[in-house]
Amino acid sequence: AQTVTQSQPEMSVQEAETVTLSCTYDTSENNYYLFWYKQPPSRQMILVIRQEAYKQQNATENRFSVNFQKAAKSFSLKISDSQLGDTAMYFCAFMRTINNNDMRFGAGTRLTVKP
Amino acid sequence: KAGVTQTPRYLIKTRGQQVTLSCSPISGHRSVSWYQQTPGQGLQFLFEYFSETQRNKGNFPGRFSGRQFSNSRSEMNVSTLELGDSALYLCASSPPGQSDYEQYFGPGTRLTVT
Repeated sequence: AQTVTQSQPEMSVQEAETVTLSCTYDTSENNYYLFWYKQPPSRQMILVIRQEAYKQQNATENRFSVNFQKAAKSFSLKISDSQLGDTAMYFCAFMRTINNNDMRFGAGTRLTVKP
Repeated sequence: KAGVTQTPRYLIKTRGQQVTLSCSPISGHRSVSWYQQTPGQGLQFLFEYFSETQRNKGNFPGRFSGRQFSNSRSEMNVSTLELGDSALYLCASSPPGQSDYEQYFGPGTRLTVT
């Protein structure tokens, strides 16, 4: 069974600084997808960034980037130039393949951006 | 395009009752997945429907069921409610084709069982 582990229940960062959220996963699959989702307080979950396992290049979306280490089964999220609006729960998620939308989530990391 | 909508947003039920939650996906999306979110268990996958057929199922008891209609709207039903069913129920829809793995979440239905 696939498991996703986020070892940092809470983190904080000063506005404009950089923070890295950790995620590790366990799978025997070779092809899969990894995601970071953001859930702001009392608001709906939105996709931050995704990574296809077959791609060696790390995904980047504006201030958000990942460090994908397939052999180590590690998928960390780096947020640069943190903004107050980045305050949210961040979930790392794993999905085996397409046509199989059984997504497994980590427990989440609560990130607070301080002014 | 309108986003994923879920109704009702809040619901209070009594133990033993049953409940039906509704999810309308983004127009053109044919896959709808359901998740349960609780403080203790986190986010857990319930099931996924695609073209009116259940394509995947999580590890939940048979009291949890769902269906999908021809317009891709989906409902989930929980029978014989237990206190532990109190949770935020999220649905997510996925576009067809190569972006099938992208899930767009609704705001959720918060169910409280007393």
